[in-house]
Amino acid sequence: EIVMTQSPATLSVSPGERATLSCRASQSVGTNLAWYQQKPGQGPRLLIYGVSTRATGIPARFSGSGSGTEFTLTISSLQPEDFAVYYCQQNDDWPPITFGQGTRLEVK
Amino acid sequence: EVQLVESGGGFVQPGGSLRLSCAASGFSFSSYAMSWVRQAPGKGLEWVSNIGHSGSSTYFADSVKGRFTISRDNSRTTLYLQMNSLRAEDTALYYCARGPYCTSSTCYPFDSWGQGTLVTVSS
Repeated sequence: EIVMTQSPATLSVSPGERATLSCRASQSVGTNLAWYQQKPGQGPRLLIYGVSTRATGIPARFSGSGSGTEFTLTISSLQPEDFAVYYCQQNDDWPPITFGQGTRLEVK
Repeated sequence: EVQLVESGGGFVQPGGSLRLSCAASGFSFSSYAMSWVRQAPGKGLEWVSNIGHSGSSTYFADSVKGRFTISRDNSRTTLYLQMNSLRAEDTALYYCARGPYCTSSTCYPFDSWGQGTLVTVSS
C-alpha cells in the first residue's frame, strides 16, 4: 500500500499571501497524484490531477508541482474562500487508492 | 452538470446491514468507473470500493472486504453499496464519486463527488 503523508497538519496564512502544502508518497506514484479541497459540510472538490493539471473551473492561483514521491500544492494569493482542508491522493498503484491525512489551511 | 445524490444512510446496530444508493445524472453513467469514499467524523478520506463501468470488475479496501458489496444498474444510472456485518468503525459519511478512469490520453481521479450520506453504527 502506498502511504501518503501531508505536511503540515495545519497551516496558518494571511489572506493575500502564498500557501505551500506538501505531500509525500512512500513510493513513486508517477503522475497519478491529485489534490482536493474540502469545506465544512461539503463533499471534496477536485483541484488538481496529473500532478499539475487544474480541474475544470479551478482558478489559476492554484498550482501543483512535483514528481516521484514529493509533491506541492501552491495557492499564490489566498482568497477568503480558500481556507479549507486539502487532501492529496494517489491512484497510481491500487487497490487501495490512498489519501493523505489532510492539511487544514486556516486564517492567520 | 454532473450530479451524484447519495441516499440510504441511517442508524444501525453492530452486525446490521444497510444499502446505500447513489443516483447519477448529467453524464453517460455507463461509461465511467465509480467509487465509494468514506469519512469518519472529524477524520480524513478513506477509499472504500470501486466498480468498473460495466460492473464486471470490483475492488475493495481491506477494511471492508468480505462485508461490503458494490454494484451498479446502468439502466437506472444508480450505484449501490451493500454493507453487511457493520461495525462501529464503519460509522462515517459515505460519498459517491465518479472515477478513477482513463481516456486514451489521460487518467482522472475522483472528478465529481456527491454530498454524502451518513451511516451510524452503534448499539
